[in-house]
Amino acid sequence: GAVVSQHPSRVICKSGTSVKIECRSLDFQATTMFWYRQFPKQSLMLMATSNEGSKATYEQGVEKDKFLINHASLTLSTLTVTSAHPEDSSFYICSARVEGPGNTIYFGEGSWLTVV
Amino acid sequence: KQEVTQIPAALSVPEGENLVLNCSFTDSAIYNLQWFRQDPGKGLTSLLLIQSSQREQTSGRLNASLDKSSGRSTLYIAASQPGDSATYLCAAPNSGNTPLVFGKGTRLSVIA
Repeated sequence: GAVVSQHPSRVICKSGTSVKIECRSLDFQATTMFWYRQFPKQSLMLMATSNEGSKATYEQGVEKDKFLINHASLTLSTLTVTSAHPEDSSFYICSARVEGPGNTIYFGEGSWLTVV
Repeated sequence: KQEVTQIPAALSVPEGENLVLNCSFTDSAIYNLQWFRQDPGKGLTSLLLIQSSQREQTSGRLNASLDKSSGRSTLYIAASQPGDSATYLCAAPNSGNTPLVFGKGTRLSVIA
């Protein structure tokens, strides 16, 4: 079945630095990918929709200048958390949609970000 | 905008018991609905995907139903086992197809 890979799975960064998380569709092309954030004991909240070759669409309340999303190819979307703060510490997970019948969505393994 | 609600928030049952998890959604014009499992500190495992034209899907001890007209879905787990302990998430598209909107989940504990 389709596989979505995220990297890194865990990252610790210092406050004020930037960190990039990659989301790759390994065996299919994805024109649309989605980025979610999950705080402890909370559900997944959609941050933005990443569109290949165009600007991402951000959900209300998500700062586009802080969470930079780049979808430069049909198999790769990146999320960069800029000027990270401890409150950005969270579980970030991406998903990709397989175009076609069913439009199945596959999720990556997620990335744990800890800002110290 | 789609809203997904899951009841109960937490459930504790003895091993072997059959149980039902509930999910409701506000926008019934959905393309499909999915149930996921999430273990502590881990990502998502897709359990069942029900297309809008279907009323239920089964996989092993799991059975998920979908009633679009009432905006409800249920996940039935038969003969529960301690290994079933996890958080179960229901997700429906925001509109038509994607993206998925998640409920807050039901934390299930199956006690041996």
